[in-house]
Amino acid sequence: AQSVTQLGSHVSVSEGALVLLRCNYSSSVPPYLFWYVQYPNQGLQLLLKYTSAATLVKGINGFEAEFKKSETSFHLTKPSAHMSDAAEYFCAVSALTGANNLFFGTGTRLTVIP
Amino acid sequence: EAGVVQSPRYKIIEKKQPVAFWCNPISGHNTLYWYLQNLGQGPELLIRYENEEAVDDSQLPKDRFSAERLKGVDSTLKIQPAELGDSAVYLCASSLDAGEAFFGQGTRLTVV
Repeated sequence: AQSVTQLGSHVSVSEGALVLLRCNYSSSVPPYLFWYVQYPNQGLQLLLKYTSAATLVKGINGFEAEFKKSETSFHLTKPSAHMSDAAEYFCAVSALTGANNLFFGTGTRLTVIP
Repeated sequence: EAGVVQSPRYKIIEKKQPVAFWCNPISGHNTLYWYLQNLGQGPELLIRYENEEAVDDSQLPKDRFSAERLKGVDSTLKIQPAELGDSAVYLCASSLDAGEAFFGQGTRLTVV
């Protein structure tokens, strides 16, 4: 079975500050890991994904995430927050093989303070 | 290229009434998903289709929910009768085999 836990339902950062959104996963098989972003009244957009290649994954809009197997973590970071980064962020996991159903965390709402 | 299209965007119905949502996936995508997103929660899978076959519907409440994907393209999700607790956003997504899933904008259902 797969699941993810996102620590912190709300995160506030100042514009230009580091963004760190935390995600820990649980998986009985090697996982695929994803970060999605959801803007108000919109669907989900893929930011980045880990598929067992490089452990440091770079995504769109300057975001990146590092897969740490020893910590079962896949935290999302961005060096400098922009106002346009304000949104809901979801971490998700699926099995590396077989069915590719996504299991989502409960989300973290990012607020960027001017 | 058009993305995943869902309609309607918003729907308000009275409890015990039926409701249907429609999804048109990205052209050529053989896998289609319906997700339920409750307020303040992450999406949860309701059903996954591979072409016209429902390969995972274990989380679909079959007493009131039904879905179909005729000809392996468009899909319809139906609720009959709707209950107050069904108020949520219903998301459709599609992918090519096990590739990246692309999501539609969702249908926000309010049951009063």
